[in-house]
Amino acid sequence: GDQVEQSPSALSLHEGTGSALRCNFTTTMRAVQWFQQNSRGSLINLFYLASGTKENGRLKSTFNSKESYSTLHIRDAQLEDSGTYFCAARTTGNTGKLIFGLGTTLQVQP
Amino acid sequence: DPKIIQKPKYLVAVTGSEKILICEQYLGHNAMYWYRQSAKKPLEFMFSYSYQKLMDNQTASSRFQPQSSKKNHLDLQITALKPDDSATYFCASSQDAGGILAEQFFGPGTRLTVL
Repeated sequence: GDQVEQSPSALSLHEGTGSALRCNFTTTMRAVQWFQQNSRGSLINLFYLASGTKENGRLKSTFNSKESYSTLHIRDAQLEDSGTYFCAARTTGNTGKLIFGLGTTLQVQP
Repeated sequence: DPKIIQKPKYLVAVTGSEKILICEQYLGHNAMYWYRQSAKKPLEFMFSYSYQKLMDNQTASSRFQPQSSKKNHLDLQITALKPDDSATYFCASSQDAGGILAEQFFGPGTRLTVL
């Protein structure tokens, strides 16, 4: 079935550094969303992409539907960036179903 | 002001009982969803509704029944509760389900524990 493979599962960064998270999709997806889940468990919307690249502050995300992957780049990491990051892909049907990856737990250290 | 309200925030139930999880959205959206997050599992899609009509049901068990009394409400009734039902249940909404305005926004969740 449709799956989302997210990597890495865990990531540790020092403040001021950066890295990339990646999601691979086993089938063609229509769009991707990226979320941060904070310590209270709330899901915060970061990006929604049907194609291309979007940037917001220190975050940048790309969705390549032809090659079935999406990336989330974090630069100049801050302590408040710590949390779990999820990608979620929208399937090709019209039901709005999102398939989530397992998440990347990011810890930013001083 | 919170745009998607879920009640209660925490819920403890005994095995075999029935509970209703409440979801209201004030974003003016036409599509609403339920997802479940269990320990060590990805967030799982359960249901989607568009204009109060069921679009998709990925829940194998009929013990889970969504109820849409108003356009901006999508409650989730769970009967014959089992310990395996323990999870955080998230409600979400989007402007539409299948078009370009399909970005979903999530409520704060209801954490259900079944003893």
